[in-house]
Amino acid sequence: NAGVTQTPKFQVLKTGQSMTLQCAQDMNHEYMSWYRQDPGMGLRLIHYSVGAGITDQGEVPNGYNVSRSTTEDFPLRLLSAAPSQTSVYFCASSPFTADYGYTFGSGTRLTVV
Amino acid sequence: QKEVEQDPGPLSVPEGAIVSLNCTYSNSAFQYFMWYRQYSRKGPELLMYTYSSGNKEDGRFTAQVDKSSKYISLFIRDSQPSDSATYLCAMSGTTGNQFYFGTGTSLTVIP
Repeated sequence: NAGVTQTPKFQVLKTGQSMTLQCAQDMNHEYMSWYRQDPGMGLRLIHYSVGAGITDQGEVPNGYNVSRSTTEDFPLRLLSAAPSQTSVYFCASSPFTADYGYTFGSGTRLTVV
Repeated sequence: QKEVEQDPGPLSVPEGAIVSLNCTYSNSAFQYFMWYRQYSRKGPELLMYTYSSGNKEDGRFTAQVDKSSKYISLFIRDSQPSDSATYLCAMSGTTGNQFYFGTGTSLTVIP
């Protein structure tokens, strides 16, 4: 099993550009989420999904969109990148709800210039 | 005020020492408490999971939750250089869908 796979690992964007961060899991987990990790701020929840077709906002959703068309995939879209979105992004999954404990991906390091 | 407060350290201890890591929180509705370990440039990995109050032990690791004081702890016995990492606490309320993380404590175990 690959677990949670994130692509790309590194990305540099110019302000105003859009892009999609990919996340795929092969554990048949119902729950998937996106976090960003910033120095001094810890991990903050952006969006989450409790199953295919169901998504909800987390603590810091502005500037990001998600969709969940399959159980396996949960892409995160940056609509118009801003320097404030420079961060490390982690995708995480859990069998049902998050209280079973997350399996995290290895992260995507995004720089917006 | 942040939902979860965690001393960022850094914490440096000799090999074999007992390590105590702590978090405090403000939301009395939190019921699910977890500790994650994160190595440099890696994703966090789940170490310990506790529901409500009490202690839980797993090998060299012990997690404690004191809901009356809104305080959780992780103890590492016989610390090893391989324990050098950042430790994150995380907690959630009744739905379990949204976890709040501490900022992490950086630990170095010196051989």
